[in-house]
Order: sequence, then C-alpha cells, then structure tokens
Amino acid sequence: GEDVEQSLFLSVREGDSSVINCTYTDSSSTYLYWYKQEPGAGLQLLTYIFSNMDMKQDQRLTVLLNKKDKHLSLRIADTQTGDSAIYFCAEAPGTDKLIFGTGTRLQVFP
Amino acid sequence: DTAVSQTPKYLVTQMGNDKSIKCEQNLGHDTMYWYKQDSKKFLKIMFSYNNKELIINETVPNRFSPKSPDKAHLNLHINSLELGDSAVYFCASSPQGVEQYFGPGTRLTVT
Repeated sequence: GEDVEQSLFLSVREGDSSVINCTYTDSSSTYLYWYKQEPGAGLQLLTYIFSNMDMKQDQRLTVLLNKKDKHLSLRIADTQTGDSAIYFCAEAPGTDKLIFGTGTRLQVFP
Repeated sequence: DTAVSQTPKYLVTQMGNDKSIKCEQNLGHDTMYWYKQDSKKFLKIMFSYNNKELIINETVPNRFSPKSPDKAHLNLHINSLELGDSAVYFCASSPQGVEQYFGPGTRLTVT
C-alpha cells in the first residue's frame, strides 16, 4: 500500500544538526523527495534523490537513502531558526503523483 | 516572476454553495496537479492533468471538477460545498513529472 511515515516533532538547538527520518512502503518509487512548508506558505522543493543513489548532498542538506529498509533521511547541518518549518518526505511510485508523509514539525530554539 | 499562482488565497463560503479556485503557471510545464491538505497537514493528491488531459483522479467526489482550458491553467470547481471540504488546496506543476512546484495554496473554509 501507499504509506509514508515520519515522526511528528523534532526540536533542536540552533547550530546543531537536525535529522528527519521517513519510512516508505512502495519499493517501486523512482524518486524520493523532501519538501519544506513554512507557516501559511506553500511547499518548497528542497531536494530529491533518485532511487539508485544512496546519498545526495546539497549545501547544508544531506539525503540518505536505504532502499533495503525503505528509509529516507534528511540531515540539516548547522540548523538555523529559519529552518523551523514542517518537512515532508514524499515518494513517487512510478506515476506522476506524489505520496506525502505525515510531516515532521522542526522547531529550532536558540 | 515565474511561478505557480493561485486565486483566491482565502475563500470563506457557506455549505451548499459552488466555488472555483484558479491556478496558473508560467513555467511552461506540461503537467499540473491539485492536492488537498487537511487540518492535520496531511497532503493528498486529487487530480493531475498533462497537456490538458486528465491523468489522475484519486477517488475524489464528483462534486469536484477540474478544468484545464490550456496547459498553463488548471482550475478546480467545487459544487455543493460541505463542511469536510474545508482545507488548503494546493496547485502544482511539473515539467516531466519529476520535480513538482507548488503554488501558495488556497485556504477554503466552509461554514
């Protein structure tokens, strides 16, 4: 079935690293995504990874993919208060649609 | 600015009314989508269109009717609005189905 799970909350101190985890169930997903949603705003595509890769780095963001365990993570280095938002992972199981996770609310405190 | 835009940003209406939400993208993308985000922030696809042709219809009540007059526009018409339709509706577009770019959302409140 289509079920993407994330922990609901994460709280980190400014300057620390944040790691947001996601598990998905559809092994046919070709791409896996991370989106950011700030309060009252739309979704911003942060990064995505092709399913035959196991890591992708983009400035402060590192995506790790464990295809065997269907586990995706997003690491944010040197987390800033501006990173406070809801982070959604999403899978694309061979079709145009995105199946979103439940979202992780990241709170960064000084 | 190049972007996905939606109007209106906020829509408050009574049960039983009919309303429309408009979406436009000037990114030259072929595929457009509607997603619904409920009060718990759960996001689910409703429809997708590729070059004005309906591709995905995710068991949405037929009170919801998307219309794509051209590939830059995808509008959503909702008949006989119900309380449960209250949500944020997001439009998105994609060049080839890999990267999807979202609009700012339309917050619909049905009273």
